[in-house]
Amino acid sequence: QPVLTQPPSASASLGASVTLTCTLRSGHSNYKVDWYQQRPGKGPRFVMRVGTGGIVGSKGDGIPDRFSVLGSGLNRYLTIKNIQEEDESDYYCGADLGSGSDFVGVFGGGTKLTVL
Amino acid sequence: QVQLVQSGAEVKKPGSSVKVSCKASGGTFSSYSITWVRQAPGQGLEWMGGIIPIFDTANYAQKFQGRVTITTDESTSTAYMELSSLRSEDTAVYYCARGMYYYGSGPLGYWGQGTLVTVSS
Repeated sequence: QPVLTQPPSASASLGASVTLTCTLRSGHSNYKVDWYQQRPGKGPRFVMRVGTGGIVGSKGDGIPDRFSVLGSGLNRYLTIKNIQEEDESDYYCGADLGSGSDFVGVFGGGTKLTVL
Repeated sequence: QVQLVQSGAEVKKPGSSVKVSCKASGGTFSSYSITWVRQAPGQGLEWMGGIIPIFDTANYAQKFQGRVTITTDESTSTAYMELSSLRSEDTAVYYCARGMYYYGSGPLGYWGQGTLVTVSS
């Protein structure tokens, strides 16, 4: 079972809301997760980090207030409200499984968000 | 403003090696991690390995152990990723990214523009 699991696709209508889910493997409920946005043909962009207490630190540069996160149990959620066309992207969650200088990363498989 | 500028696209033969560079500007190079991530065509992100220059010890994903080497040159604020024994499945865009935490990793807040490596006979 992968460390991070994401549904491959999601869709939402313009102006609606959508919640994307990243599920940690059992035994990893304390891990924080980072969300990244990748627009078509572009590189990844950091959105924000989430733990069980919600956002950790600050959002990435230029991330609008419409983006928010929550964490519960093994799930880490990214919610986008009032969806815009430019939100159509692949969204990846990532985690650091190490500590300090001994870091090892992993990514989920990504969720492709389609704006209808 | 932190910027990461990567070297240009490469075309390599199977069995050869490739070395991609990532030059950082803005901020303190030595104290923040540099991570390498790759993305095969139409596929997701794959974590390859990373290093904090001041500690000079790289960590690698198990999948790439023995085939990837990540190094840094603090005098030029440049990180390098060398991948050997290339095969067609290594065709991908390779990204470097800088962590946001001092002396640790943290979120990958800054990304290079990506370097396309094509492996073809």
